[in-house]
Amino acid sequence: DTGVSQDPRHKITKRGQNVTFRCDPISEHNRLYWYRQTLGQGPEFLTYFQNEAQLEKSRLLSDRFSAERPKGSFSTLEIQRTEQGDSAMYLCASTMAGELFFGEGSRLTVL
Amino acid sequence: AQTVTQSQPEMSVQEAETVTLSCTYDTSESDYYLFWYKQPPSRQMILVIRQEAYKQQNATENRFSVNFQKAAKSFSLKISDSQLGDAAMYFCAYRSSGGADGLTFGKGTHLIIQP
Repeated sequence: DTGVSQDPRHKITKRGQNVTFRCDPISEHNRLYWYRQTLGQGPEFLTYFQNEAQLEKSRLLSDRFSAERPKGSFSTLEIQRTEQGDSAMYLCASTMAGELFFGEGSRLTVL
Repeated sequence: AQTVTQSQPEMSVQEAETVTLSCTYDTSESDYYLFWYKQPPSRQMILVIRQEAYKQQNATENRFSVNFQKAAKSFSLKISDSQLGDAAMYFCAYRSSGGADGLTFGKGTHLIIQP
């Protein structure tokens, strides 16, 4: 296991389309986090899972966003009816306790 | 809510010299964790150093050390003997000690290493 992996690395879509990102955490990690990072900003917390349970959601996560972590393994982040303001890097991180290990991110561009 | 402020959008240092990146934070909690993360261009974010608020001793990891001033709510990162590979965005981050809250990040400091 080489770390947290995210797919796709880049996604270009037209406004109004739906997109889905996948995150595969480090296998023994029970906690998984999603962050959003826009240009010139630090990452902003979106949501987190402990095993399969989604325990916290940021107010940044509008109704168009949904995240799942079936069976407590990989996670998906879906954005419906994308808007130009959704353009950002979406980062996934996992941990057992303490240090967060980040993936390389999925960059979304909404035209 | 906690906030993290990095007042230096960009810093530049000569190779082999020492540079200090500043970070201040605001919290009403007494127990928490502070972190510095490094994000190289198009690479994933990696942990540089962490500090537990209950520890008075400043954390050190090889060429990286922190100056943690709890009363002043300040947490600066010192990089000694700067190397070209240190060039990256550096983010200061805060986490509550209780629960599993996500990290609160600052806006970052872009560190440039001059050869």
